[in-house]
Amino acid sequence: NAGVTQTPKFQVLKTGQSMTLQCAQDMNHNSMYWYRQDPGMGLRLIYYSASEGTTDKGEVPNGYNVSRLNKREFSLRLESAAPSQTSVYFCASSRNRGSGNTIYFGEGSWLTVV
Amino acid sequence: AQTVTQSQPEMSVQEAETVTLSCTYDTSESNYYLFWYKQPPSRQMILVIRQEAYKQQNATENRFSVNFQKAAKSFSLKISDSQLGDTAMYFCAFMTGDTGRRALTFGSGTRLQVQP
Repeated sequence: NAGVTQTPKFQVLKTGQSMTLQCAQDMNHNSMYWYRQDPGMGLRLIYYSASEGTTDKGEVPNGYNVSRLNKREFSLRLESAAPSQTSVYFCASSRNRGSGNTIYFGEGSWLTVV
Repeated sequence: AQTVTQSQPEMSVQEAETVTLSCTYDTSESNYYLFWYKQPPSRQMILVIRQEAYKQQNATENRFSVNFQKAAKSFSLKISDSQLGDTAMYFCAFMTGDTGRRALTFGSGTRLQVQP
């Protein structure tokens, strides 16, 4: 079972460059999320999509944009990367119906901005 | 906004012994969910256990159990018969019951080291 798949796994960017992190889930989940994890900290929500066609800002949205391309895919774009965006990025998804609220995570994408 | 606090940055336990990780949270909501996630060195986020706030019975999953005190807004994780493979970061997390805003709010984590 693939679950939640993120690409790329590792990326080094120069300050000012742009890139897109791709995420896809094969569990027919309604909701998808992007989190970032900085050293020694818990995960913080960047953006989420409660259902196809909707997106909402989380705790730390500045410097990011997202696209819910379809039910399966949710991408995160850095338009002009900054060293403060060096982090591990996690995509996640959940069914989000009734009690089906468990969130499943991808394996993470390590991003370094130099 | 909800907050989740884990006051123990690091803990250590001997193999086969029991350890309890603490978590407190703050919310004005009555319907919500609480989770414990494990993050080993691989960084994979693994669900350990979940608790629905409307359930009085504490959740258990094999060697893992919780002590959910709703009035005190406390949600501790007990690991019995600790194993070397339990060495990891453990995150407590809160989720609202509102389906339109269901995202996890995480604590800062507790690093657990199981000693042989």
